Amino acid sequence: EVQLVESGGGLVQPGGSLRLSCAASGFTFSSYWMSWVRQAPGKGLEWVANIKQAGSEKYYVDSVKGRFIISRDNAKNSLYLQMNSLRAEDTAVYFCARDPRGGQYFDYWGQGTLVTVSS
Amino acid sequence: QTVVTQEPSLTVSPGGTVTLTCASSTGAVTSGCYPNWFQQKPGQAPRALIYSISNKHSWTPARFSGSLLGGKAALTLSGVQPEDEAEYYCLLYCGGAQVFGGGTKLTVL
Repeated sequence: EVQLVESGGGLVQPGGSLRLSCAASGFTFSSYWMSWVRQAPGKGLEWVANIKQAGSEKYYVDSVKGRFIISRDNAKNSLYLQMNSLRAEDTAVYFCARDPRGGQYFDYWGQGTLVTVSS
Repeated sequence: QTVVTQEPSLTVSPGGTVTLTCASSTGAVTSGCYPNWFQQKPGQAPRALIYSISNKHSWTPARFSGSLLGGKAALTLSGVQPEDEAEYYCLLYCGGAQVFGGGTKLTVL
C-alpha cells in the first residue's frame, strides 16, 4: 500500500525557516518524480515544487523561487522541502504527492502538514 | 501566468448528472495540457480521480468520466451519489507549468 506521511510543520515567525519531510512507503520511491502542493486556509490548491527521480531536475512556482529548496534522499525514501525567508502568505497545509510523469499527473497524496507563519 | 477557471459552485440532485469544466486563460485546453481532476472533502487530502483528460485511477468510481468539451476540460458525474458532495479541482500542465483551478464546490441536494 502506497503511503506518504508528511511531518515538520508548525508555527514559525516571518523570516524564519522550516524543513518539511515526507516519508514514502509501499512503492519504489527512487523511480518516481515527487511534488509538494500547498493549500492556504480556506483556499484552493497550489503546486509548489517537484523533483526528478535522482534529484537532477527541480522546478518551483515563481512565488517560492530562491526561498524554498526541494530535495530527496532515495536511500531513506524521503522527500524534503526546506523553506526559508517565510512569509505570512506561505501559511498553508503542505501535501506531498507522487508525480509519476514529471508534472503530468499526481496519483497518491499524503495527509498534509500545517505551516503557520505568524508573529 | 496561466489562470485556470472553474465554476465556483454547482448543485445537482441525487441520481442526476452534472458536468464541471476547466478553462485556461491561454486558450483551448488540449491533450497537451494533461488535464487532471481531484476530489477533496473537508479536512481530507485531495484524491486523484482523472488524469490525461479521461484516464481513471484504479479507485475512481465508474460514474466519473473526463473529456474535452468546447475547448475546456470537463468532468462528468453520472448517477450522482450523496457522497460525491465535495470540492473538485482541475489541474493543467501546459507548457511545463502545473496550475490548479480555483475549485468547484459541488452540492448534492
